Amino acid sequence: DGGITQSPKYLFRKEGQNVTLSCEQNLNHDAMYWYRQDPGQGLRLIYYSQIVNDFQKGDIAEGYSVSREKKESFPLTVTSAQKNPTAFYLCASALTGGGKTQYFGPGTRLLVL
Amino acid sequence: AQSVTQLGSHVSVSEGALVLLRCNYSSSVPPYLFWYVQYPNQGLQLLLKYTSAATLVKGINGFEAEFKKSETSFHLTKPSAHMRDAAEYFCAVSKNQGAQKLVFGQGTRLTINP
Repeated sequence: DGGITQSPKYLFRKEGQNVTLSCEQNLNHDAMYWYRQDPGQGLRLIYYSQIVNDFQKGDIAEGYSVSREKKESFPLTVTSAQKNPTAFYLCASALTGGGKTQYFGPGTRLLVL
Repeated sequence: AQSVTQLGSHVSVSEGALVLLRCNYSSSVPPYLFWYVQYPNQGLQLLLKYTSAATLVKGINGFEAEFKKSETSFHLTKPSAHMRDAAEYFCAVSKNQGAQKLVFGQGTRLTINP
């Protein structure tokens, strides 16, 4: 079955630690996205990539980093510079072009110890 | 800049009653508009989208939405609510040019009363 997988489902971060969230898709989509979800604030765009080896900052990129070495994979690293990382993180992918649907993974919940 | 406003962070209706979730958008260019649904601790699932074809859009699970340019609205409706409709609903907008970045509203939590 085609789809988007995110791992782990839950992730715990210690003070000063970098953690990496995985996102993989087998939909053959060129574009991939990372969003952060906080209660009552909807989803906010962290980073996006429209093609391998290229990515752009979204609205809240500070404290995060990404890579796009393969079409299928778009991992997100939450660095120690992100002072309030507790949130639900959602990855999405889409075909490029106007009006294309973004398909979402099941999400990773990040908690700080 | 684009923005989305969802009126009402919580909406409660009785089972069998009409569901109306409101969404107003702001966009400097013709928009694409989306409604997504999220069940607890899950990702988002597309309900329906408007991409400049018919202004009345039908989606999954009996939902529909009407694009009204004059009112900059894209309200979501369902004639008769079911218990399984209880979830959080998000309206989103993207431009019809450039990178397809979605801008989301803050969400509306729908509760269905028996």
